[in-house]
Amino acid sequence: GAVVSQHPSRVICKSGTSVKIECRSLDFQATTMFWYRQFPKQSLMLMATSNEGSKATYEQGVEKDKFLINHASLTLSTLTVTSAHPEDSSFYICSASYSLGEQYFGPGTRLTVT
Amino acid sequence: GQQLNQNPQSMFIQEGEDVSMNCTSSSIFNTWLWYKQDPGEGPVLLIALYKAGELTSNGRLTAQFGITRKDSFLNISASIPSDVGIYFCAGVIYNQGGKLIFGQGTELSVKP
Repeated sequence: GAVVSQHPSRVICKSGTSVKIECRSLDFQATTMFWYRQFPKQSLMLMATSNEGSKATYEQGVEKDKFLINHASLTLSTLTVTSAHPEDSSFYICSASYSLGEQYFGPGTRLTVT
Repeated sequence: GQQLNQNPQSMFIQEGEDVSMNCTSSSIFNTWLWYKQDPGEGPVLLIALYKAGELTSNGRLTAQFGITRKDSFLNISASIPSDVGIYFCAGVIYNQGGKLIFGQGTELSVKP
């Protein structure tokens, strides 16, 4: 149980374009979803927390107009990287939680901006 | 802000050996979680600890939540090659919406 999927697993886009990443909880309803970014050999950095039907809460230093998060249902959250630039290239991982405590992570999305 | 200090940062061991890693913090956490991450994948939850002093096992893995709620350790017994990966501890803060604070990770290498 507690399976989270992400799509796509890999995406390459040109500088200036936008990319949408989907995160789905497959076998449970997620009251909260989280978006992380991870650089090579480093720990996960929380970008934002989203609750279904409300605006996401962004961590300090994360541009909310650049990283648009939508949590339309209890099983789906999306992260859109707008006007992507090479420095946005990274590994993006979502997680989902149905109660305070455990978070279940998706497999991640490798974004490369050329 | 809250920080978790995870040690060691890396370990190189022989197959069959036992492994121990720990996390400490100056802050109190409601829950401690231990994850394993393989290259190019998302972290997988290994063990969740909810009560101070709690000792929990999952196969060859054993973890304990410190009495002060500020530390935790993870032990792996009789390591095998598939134990290779990066292990992260994470503390959960309930009054911050369940946000996780991660340790820096322990990279485990197992020599057959």
